[in-house]
Amino acid sequence: AQSVTQLDSQVPVFEEAPVELRCNYSSSVSVYLFWYVQYPNQGLQLLLKYLSGSTLVKGINGFEAEFNKSQTSFHLRKPSVHISDTAEYFCAVSGLGAGNMLTFGGGTRLMVKP
Amino acid sequence: DGGITQSPKYLFRKEGQNVTLSCEQNLNHDAMYWYRQDPGQGLRLIYYSQIVNDFQKGDIAEGYSVSREKKESFPLTVTSAQKNPTAFYLCASSILSGGYGELFFGEGSRLTVL
Repeated sequence: AQSVTQLDSQVPVFEEAPVELRCNYSSSVSVYLFWYVQYPNQGLQLLLKYLSGSTLVKGINGFEAEFNKSQTSFHLRKPSVHISDTAEYFCAVSGLGAGNMLTFGGGTRLMVKP
Repeated sequence: DGGITQSPKYLFRKEGQNVTLSCEQNLNHDAMYWYRQDPGQGLRLIYYSQIVNDFQKGDIAEGYSVSREKKESFPLTVTSAQKNPTAFYLCASSILSGGYGELFFGEGSRLTVL
């Protein structure tokens, strides 16, 4: 079985400040990791994904994430946020033993303040 | 453009009425999914289907029904048996082989029961 924990339900941050959204997972098999973003009243959009290879993954809108196998983490970072980054962010994991079904974390609401 | 189309985007219904939400995809994906999202909460899986004429219950299937008569279509019916149907509903699809679990989402349907 797999599980995903997003440690912060809300993260307030000022515009142009750096941000880190934390994600930890639990799995007994090799994993694939994803971050999705959801703007109000919209569907989820893929930000980035880790499948294999380099542990530092770059995504859209200036976001990046680092896969840390020993700490079972996949934290999302951005060096300088904009007001337009205000949204809900979801971490998700799939694995070979789970039929490639995605398991989602509870989400983190990023609130960027001017 | 390939994608997933959900309709309607907003729907109001009286208590006790059945409601059907449409989901169509032209991505040629094998699998389709329905999720429910409540304010401030993550995604909960209602039903999924990996092949035409077959589907499986997710975590919260009670009060819902689905059909998969065509590969492109996966409608969701919210029945009068669903105790609290007001929510945001998201449809998604994925490929099964080589997709690593990545989901592609529609824009969502917001159902309000009066």
